[in-house]
Amino acid sequence: SQTIHQWPATLVQPVGSPLSLECTVEGTSNPNLYWYRQAAGRGLQLLFYSVGIGQISSEVPQNLSASRPQDRQFILSSKKLLLSDSGFYLCAWSWTGSGEQYFGPGTRLTVT
Amino acid sequence: GENVEQHPSTLSVQEGDSAVIKCTYSDSASNYFPWYKQELGKRPQLIIDIRSNVGEKKDQRIAVTLNKTAKHFSLHITETQPEDSAVYFCAARGSFGGGATNKLIFGTGTLLAVQP
Repeated sequence: SQTIHQWPATLVQPVGSPLSLECTVEGTSNPNLYWYRQAAGRGLQLLFYSVGIGQISSEVPQNLSASRPQDRQFILSSKKLLLSDSGFYLCAWSWTGSGEQYFGPGTRLTVT
Repeated sequence: GENVEQHPSTLSVQEGDSAVIKCTYSDSASNYFPWYKQELGKRPQLIIDIRSNVGEKKDQRIAVTLNKTAKHFSLHITETQPEDSAVYFCAARGSFGGGATNKLIFGTGTLLAVQP
């Protein structure tokens, strides 16, 4: 069966500090991968998605970036965090050609 | 652009009653419509989905209906229980340049509260 991991689970970072969140998927090959952000009490905002190694599509202009160095690894980064970057960051995966997306446990980021 | 509208934003029902959440999508090429349940502080969980070649799908107490002509779909929960309390999100699979993608366009969510 497939499993998706995210870490860290929670993170408190000062404004202006860098960020690196990691997501890995087990039990499948060549998944489509997604990063979402969810502000408190709000909906799901798609940030990036990837259909393969090194292939990243950005949905929203911002100070975040994503990379996919390995088939089942997806990384979300920032060089300098803003207060508005606080939120619940969710990674998700789907099979190629399928709309079914499965979410990881999420990282709760608080920027102070 | 592609858009999914979801109503109501909040819904309170008595235990045992039915709950209905409705969504409307804009992209006529959308062909897949999942529903997610998100409990407080947890990840969204896929609870049921429907594809455009089907009008209705049922799984125990939950069902989803799809009207392609009107471009709307609904989630029906019968015999609600307190553990059904959560935020529910609908979504539609987007298209790009006339072809399908795996991107999901999400509704804004419905907070369902089941009163015991």
